[in-house]
Amino acid sequence: DAMVIQNPRYQVTQFGKPVTLSCSQTLNHNVMYWYQQKSSQAPKLLFHYYDKDFNNEADTPDNFQSRRPNTSFCFLDIRSPGLGDAAMYLCATSRARGEGNEQFFGPGTRLTVL
Amino acid sequence: GQNIDQPTEMTATEGAIVQINCTYQTSGFNGLFWYQQHAGEAPTFLSYNVLDGLEEKGRFSSFLSRSKGYSYLLLKELQMKDSASYLCAVTDSNYQLIWGAGTKLIIKP
Repeated sequence: DAMVIQNPRYQVTQFGKPVTLSCSQTLNHNVMYWYQQKSSQAPKLLFHYYDKDFNNEADTPDNFQSRRPNTSFCFLDIRSPGLGDAAMYLCATSRARGEGNEQFFGPGTRLTVL
Repeated sequence: GQNIDQPTEMTATEGAIVQINCTYQTSGFNGLFWYQQHAGEAPTFLSYNVLDGLEEKGRFSSFLSRSKGYSYLLLKELQMKDSASYLCAVTDSNYQLIWGAGTKLIIKP
C-alpha cells in the first residue's frame, strides 16, 4: 500500500541534544509538509517542500531545519531541543498544491525532551 | 488574521446523530476539509467541500456555506469508534491549509 512512513514513532532526547526525525513516502507526491502538534491544539505548519522548493513558515524557529534529499524522503532536524519542543511531529504529503489536494499523514513521531 | 472556530468538546450517545460546526475567517477560500484524529494518531481525511451544499459519504456528511463562512460535519448512527477529534481546515488564497484546534467527540453507550 502506498503510504507515508515516519521513524521513529517515539523519540526521547535530552534538553539541547540534536535530534533528527525522518519521513518517507511511497505516494510519489510532489509536496511534503512538517507539522508540530501539541495536545488539543491545531497542527502548526513548520515547513513545506513543493518538489525541491523549500518554504519556511515565518514563525518557525531557527532551531528547526529541514532537508529533502529526494522526492521520497524528508527530514526534520531540531538543533537544540527545548522542553517546549515536546510535541507530536506529523509529516504529510499531497500530490500538488492547490484546490482539493488532500494531505496524507504519517503516523507521527512523539518527541519527549528530558 | 485567519481564524477557524470549532467547539472544543461534544458528547453524544451511541446510535444517535451529532453535528459539529465550524466557522472560518480566512484570506480567501479554496476549499474546506474535515479530518478525523484518534488520540495519539495522525489525522485522516474525511471530506472536502469547495462548493455550497451537502456532500454525503456513508454515515458522514459535510455541509458548506461560503457566504456565511460556515461548515458542519454530520455523523449519523454513531459508533463507539467515532470517539475522536474532528478537525476543520480551510485552504486560503495562498493554498495554505489553516487548521482549527479540533472538536473532541465523546461517545457514550
